Amino acid sequence: GENVEQHPSTLSVQEGDSAVIKCTYSDSASNYFPWYKQELGKGPQLIIDIRSNVGEKKDQRIAVTLNKTAKHFSLHITETQPEDSAVYFCAAPDTGRRALTFGSGTRLQVQP
Amino acid sequence: EAGVAQSPRYKIIEKRQSVAFWCNPISGHATLYWYQQILGQGPKLLIQFQNNGVVDDSQLPKDRFSAERLKGVDSTLKIQPAKLEDSAVYLCASSLGGDSYGYTFGSGTRLTVV
Repeated sequence: GENVEQHPSTLSVQEGDSAVIKCTYSDSASNYFPWYKQELGKGPQLIIDIRSNVGEKKDQRIAVTLNKTAKHFSLHITETQPEDSAVYFCAAPDTGRRALTFGSGTRLQVQP
Repeated sequence: EAGVAQSPRYKIIEKRQSVAFWCNPISGHATLYWYQQILGQGPKLLIQFQNNGVVDDSQLPKDRFSAERLKGVDSTLKIQPAKLEDSAVYLCASSLGGDSYGYTFGSGTRLTVV
């Protein structure tokens, strides 16, 4: 099955700085890599995703990069704001089970 | 578009009692998932339905957990009897299915077993 590792587990940045969260995966057949944001008391919400036929995708202040050879992908948040504070999860499909396997999460704290 | 609805939002029970959670997915979403999220960890898949059939329940503790999806729409997840280690948030998600992994999650049910 798929194994997804995520780091760091916690990340504190100053408002306006950039934040980077990294994940590795094990299933070489995986072709879809989403990132979810989870705020307190809520379910995870998809914020950006990337498919294996592209190396980078941007949406305003967030971007995801993918290196299929090395089997890792990263979330980049620029010009961080206090409302970016949350727990972020990466995920990758377990192609055998046809469901997403999630990383352990990164708690991002943006200091005003 | 309405989101994934879950109820109740919170539940506190004593160990060895039973509990049930309910999920109503997004209309037209063929695939429904139940995930368990223990505090400080990522969601872990318990069971996956495609329409009203089980696709994968390999990580469901079947001696105490059961789930069903009636008529391929709503789903219930039951725990009987509950153990202390079942304390977690139970998340329901749905997707169009097939090669679409675009999950929409509900807000979850926070279960505390005392």
